Amino acid sequence: DIQMTQSPSTLSASLGDRVTITCRASQSINNWLAWYQQKPGKAPKLLIFKASTLESGVPSRFSGSGSGTKFTLTISGLQPDDFATYYCQHYNNYPYTFGQGTKVEIK
Amino acid sequence: EVQLLESGGGLVQPGGSLRLSCGISGFTFRRYAMSWVRQAPGQGLEWVAVISDSGEVTQYADSTKGRFTISRDNSKSTLYLQMNNLRVEDTATYYCAKLNWNFRDFFDYWGQGTLVTVSS
Repeated sequence: DIQMTQSPSTLSASLGDRVTITCRASQSINNWLAWYQQKPGKAPKLLIFKASTLESGVPSRFSGSGSGTKFTLTISGLQPDDFATYYCQHYNNYPYTFGQGTKVEIK
Repeated sequence: EVQLLESGGGLVQPGGSLRLSCGISGFTFRRYAMSWVRQAPGQGLEWVAVISDSGEVTQYADSTKGRFTISRDNSKSTLYLQMNNLRVEDTATYYCAKLNWNFRDFFDYWGQGTLVTVSS
């Protein structure tokens, strides 16, 4: 099975900051990677698919990059609505696996 | 508007069974693969199972293989998860999720989840 490792586990940041979350796959997944945002008590929400394609309706301050085994999610100019937990997930093959999550907190 | 609504969660004893349902509206259910994803309290996301648009092809996580069965009724636009021989570690919120297009694809819509608690 492909293992997905996210870093950091927790990130403290201020409004307006640029933040970057890294996700590494244990083997190449080409660009079959999605990023989700989850708020407490809510379902995950798709942000980015195919490593860098922004889902419709998602603010342009979110961006994704990478291919192969290393990927990043960047939020340029953190907004109050962005404080949440973020997960990466590969869909290269089954079983799908998720990263352990990165919680973005207010500094 | 796409909507997915899970039901059927609750408290069950270890070794017991439960069937979850996920009712769908807002898209043509029979055209899309569907999946279940779970999240233990305070933990991350774990993929559970997937079923093709026709229902003919399924895949399971090793942790659920042989105990869980995913199925669908396209005439009722409903997805199911039959869970047998439940264990304490199956305690989680269970989400149904729609795959974007293909059998191997990302999840573009999620339900709000239903909580399953396995405890004596």
